[in-house]
This record gives sequence, structure tokens and C-alpha cells, in this order.
Amino acid sequence: TQLLEQSPQFLSIQEGENLTVYCNSSSVFSSLQWYRQEPGEGPVLLVTVVTGGEVKKLKRLTFQFGDARKDSSLHITAAQPGDTGLYLCAGAGGSSNTGKLIFGQGTTLQVKP
Amino acid sequence: DTAVSQTPKYLVTQMGNDKSIKCEQNLGHDTMYWYKQDSKKFLKIMFSYNNKELIINETVPNRFSPKSPDKAHLNLHINSLELGDSAVYFCASSQYPANIQYFGAGTRLSVL
Repeated sequence: TQLLEQSPQFLSIQEGENLTVYCNSSSVFSSLQWYRQEPGEGPVLLVTVVTGGEVKKLKRLTFQFGDARKDSSLHITAAQPGDTGLYLCAGAGGSSNTGKLIFGQGTTLQVKP
Repeated sequence: DTAVSQTPKYLVTQMGNDKSIKCEQNLGHDTMYWYKQDSKKFLKIMFSYNNKELIINETVPNRFSPKSPDKAHLNLHINSLELGDSAVYFCASSQYPANIQYFGAGTRLSVL
């Protein structure tokens, strides 16, 4: 069974601080996605990483896929209150390329002004 | 126009009842999904249909039955509702399996 361990589960920081969220597994994933979910809404895709060692940047957000494609991290620089939300990592699992996503437990981020 | 729309947004019902949640996507996608998000925000795939054919069927009680009348619709019917069915149910769609998934806003089901 493929599992993704996401940490930390909760993070409360002050505006301007940096933070990193981790997503780890013992399984290899063909790709890994990061989503952000606002209260009362569905998850919205932020980025997909596909190649081992890949780094992608989205403004103040930096995403990295581990060399072995088993782990990923999301780093936010100078967090803003608008970054508050639930962050989810999801690995593309299954050998038959069915579109099945294995989600981590999520990280609830609160950025205080 | 909402890309993936679910109805209803909220559903409060008694144990033992049967209820349905509807999902429609106007993106022209071939693949649709149902997910369950529990009270701890953990999101888990339940079913997936590609071109009206079931391709993912996770370990879900057979009280849950998905139905796809056409590529743009995937409904979820739940029989004999139980307290543990209380959760937020999300519908999603993608162009084809393994492509980017777009999620609806969710249906919050509360079983009393």
C-alpha cells in the first residue's frame, strides 16, 4: 500500500517567516502534485513535479521532488496571510496509470499578520 | 461558469436514509472521480470513471454506488446511510486518467 506522510500537520507562523512542508514515502511515485484548499472549496493544483531532483518555483513557493521520487517539499518564503490554507501533497500511484492519487494528511497553515 | 459543479453543497439526513450527490463538469473531460475527505482533512479516492467505464473502485462499502449517465456526469448514490459516512465528498475531473484533476467545491454530508 502506498502511503504519503506529510508534516507538519499544523503550522502557525507570523507574516514574513519562512516555512517548509514535507511529504515522504517509502514508495516511488511517477509524479507528485501539491494542492491548496481553502475552507468550503475543493483542492486547487499548485504544481506537478515529475523528474527526480526537479525544482519548480511559483512566486514565493518552491517545490522540490526528491532524487528517488519518494519525497517532496514545499518551501514558502516570507509567508503572507493570503497563504493561509490547507496544503496537500498527492502522489500519482498505481501501476496502471489510472489517475489514482494518494494524498498526504495535509498541512494546515495559518499565517498571522 | 463553474467547471466542476456538485449538488447539493450541504446535505443533512438521518441514519438509514438513501441519498444522492450529483456532479457535472463542463470541461469536456473524459475522466471523473469521487473522493471522500474525513474530519481530519484526509482525502481518499473512492471511484473513477473514464468514458463512462469504471476504472478505479477502491475498498468502499457497496452501499456506495456511482453512476455515470454520460461523460459529463458522475453521480454518487448512498444507501442506508451511517454515522461514519459523514464527510465532505468531492467530485473531480481530468482530460484523461493521470492528467491534472479539477475539483468541485464539495458536498458536506452530515448523518444524524
